[in-house]
Amino acid sequence: AQKVTQAQTEISVVEKEDVTLDCVYETRDTTYYLFWYKQPPSGELVFLIRRNSFDEQNEISGRYSWNFQKSTSSFNFTITASQVVDSAVYFCALSEGSNAGKSTFGDGTTLTVKP
Amino acid sequence: DVKVTQSSRYLVKRTGEKVFLECVQDMDHENMFWYRQDPGLGLRLIYFSYDVKMKEKGDIPEGYSVSREKKERFSLILESASTNQTSMYLCASSLLGTYSYNEQFFGPGTRLTVL
Repeated sequence: AQKVTQAQTEISVVEKEDVTLDCVYETRDTTYYLFWYKQPPSGELVFLIRRNSFDEQNEISGRYSWNFQKSTSSFNFTITASQVVDSAVYFCALSEGSNAGKSTFGDGTTLTVKP
Repeated sequence: DVKVTQSSRYLVKRTGEKVFLECVQDMDHENMFWYRQDPGLGLRLIYFSYDVKMKEKGDIPEGYSVSREKKERFSLILESASTNQTSMYLCASSLLGTYSYNEQFFGPGTRLTVL
């Protein structure tokens, strides 16, 4: 069975600090996809990134970067020089190749960036 | 831009009422999902549909049913609303990939209160 653990329930940082959100997953499939979503205070979840299990390259997009390590079953998300607008709930999700496109979501990490 | 719309942002119903939550997407996505979001519990899948008239139970289907008569519309039905169904309900859709699993696009959510 697939499982996603986001151990950090809440994180609070001051603007311009770097912050890493952890995501650990469990799956028996060799083919799977990992996702990060952002849910700002307005409520609508927005897709940030998708990674498949065969691509362990890290990715950087502006101030955002993702570190995918199969050896530790982790897909961590780092925000560099955080801003107040980064305040949101962040969800990590996993879709297994055998599970027809359904995703299992972690419980989310609430990030608060203070000015 | 993918658009997923939900019929109401806020809804208040009485115990025992039949409740319909409607979701419409405009991007011809095959997959559609209904989740409920509760504090500390993340997103939990209620039902999933991968085609018109096709549905699969998610993790918490009890007390709910769904209907998908047209590709763009996915309805969640609470046959007899109860107070423990007070929650935020999120609809999502995704493209059915041939060799991949695609990100989900979410609606703004319906906050349902059952009195």
